[in-house]
Amino acid sequence: AQKVTQAQTEISVVEKEDVTLDCVYETRDTTYYLFWYKQPPSGELVFLIRRNSFDEQNEISGRYSWNFQKSTSSFNFTITASQVVDSAVYFCALSGGGVIQGAQKLVFGQGTRLTINP
Amino acid sequence: DGGITQSPKYLFRKEGQNVTLSCEQNLNHDAMYWYRQDPGQGLRLIYYSQIVNDFQKGDIAEGYSVSREKKESFPLTVTSAQKNPTAFYLCASSARPGGRDEKLFFGSGTQLSVL
Repeated sequence: AQKVTQAQTEISVVEKEDVTLDCVYETRDTTYYLFWYKQPPSGELVFLIRRNSFDEQNEISGRYSWNFQKSTSSFNFTITASQVVDSAVYFCALSGGGVIQGAQKLVFGQGTRLTINP
Repeated sequence: DGGITQSPKYLFRKEGQNVTLSCEQNLNHDAMYWYRQDPGQGLRLIYYSQIVNDFQKGDIAEGYSVSREKKESFPLTVTSAQKNPTAFYLCASSARPGGRDEKLFFGSGTQLSVL
């Protein structure tokens, strides 16, 4: 069975601090994809990044960076110099061998609510 | 601008009543999905459709029904058989059915509450 765990339910930091959101996953598949989505107060989830299981290179996009480590089954997300606009719920998700009759089957973590205080 | 439109934003259901949540997309995507979000929990898949006139149950389909008569539209009906319908409902789409690397595009959701 596939599972995604985001152990941090809520995180609150002061603006300009760095913050890391943890994501640990479980899967028996050798080929899988990991995602991060952001859910701002408006409600819709917004895609941030996708990483496949064969690519362990870390990725940086502006203030955002992602650390993928297969050895620890983790895909952590770091925001550097956080801003108030980063306040949102962040979801980690896993897509693997569980393709359900042609559609994508995503397993989501519970989400981490991040609050950036001015 | 292309996107997914969900309506209404807030919906109230009385006991024994069926209610329908609307989802429309103009992204020309083949696959569409309905997810349920409960506080402090991840998203759970209710139904999905990869093509017009075809849809499949997800993990928590009991008490829900869907239709896919048009590519752009995927309405979700919450029936009276769903005993705990209070939740935030999200509609999503993706361009290619079956693509495990596909990113999902989401609507802004409907909050359903029971009166």
